[in-house]
Amino acid sequence: EPEVTQTPSHQVTQMGQEVILRCVPISNHLYFYWYRQILGQKVEFLVSFYNNEISEKSEIFDDQFSVERPDGSNFTLKIRSTKLEDSAMYFCASSERAGENEKLFFGSGTQLSVL
Amino acid sequence: SQKIEQNSEALNIQEGKTATLTCNYTNYSPAYLQWYRQDPGRGPVFLLLIRENEKEKRKERLKVTFDTTLKQSLFHITASQPADSATYLCALNQGGKLIFGQGTELSVKP
Repeated sequence: EPEVTQTPSHQVTQMGQEVILRCVPISNHLYFYWYRQILGQKVEFLVSFYNNEISEKSEIFDDQFSVERPDGSNFTLKIRSTKLEDSAMYFCASSERAGENEKLFFGSGTQLSVL
Repeated sequence: SQKIEQNSEALNIQEGKTATLTCNYTNYSPAYLQWYRQDPGRGPVFLLLIRENEKEKRKERLKVTFDTTLKQSLFHITASQPADSATYLCALNQGGKLIFGQGTELSVKP
């Protein structure tokens, strides 16, 4: 069964450093998402991406965050200058369509620890 | 304010019984609602989607109801098994994004 893959599974970084989280969505999917989950809290929406541009973003997704689809297969999330509060599990997701038939396929996540 | 609320306390049941999980929401008008399963350290896995004009949806041992008047969805697992132990998340759409509840942890004892 096709799946969303994320690398790395764990990332440890120093506060103020840049990190790039990588994702390979399912190949025929057109809609891409990043969510995050702080330990013990809800899964929170960060950003959605379609047709090479951001469709929607949350208040969390400030100008320290950016997303890119550099080629036909990868989808990345960059955090320019990490803060302690960025420590969380980051999930990439993709879906074949949007709207009422949308169902999201999630990757296994990247656990980001900012020290 | 907008809220999605799920039973915050873990649900412990005996194998073979039916588990019923609740999702209540306020100040949303979702066109559909979804349920996901999440295992520790893993991403959510899609289970079922129910639309606002559907009262009930079934898939194998799973059943979901959606009452837009009560603003509530119920998620049932019949003949529960220890392998069903996980956290179950409800999610509803708001524009182009899914908003998740905090999840209910289910533990099925043999």
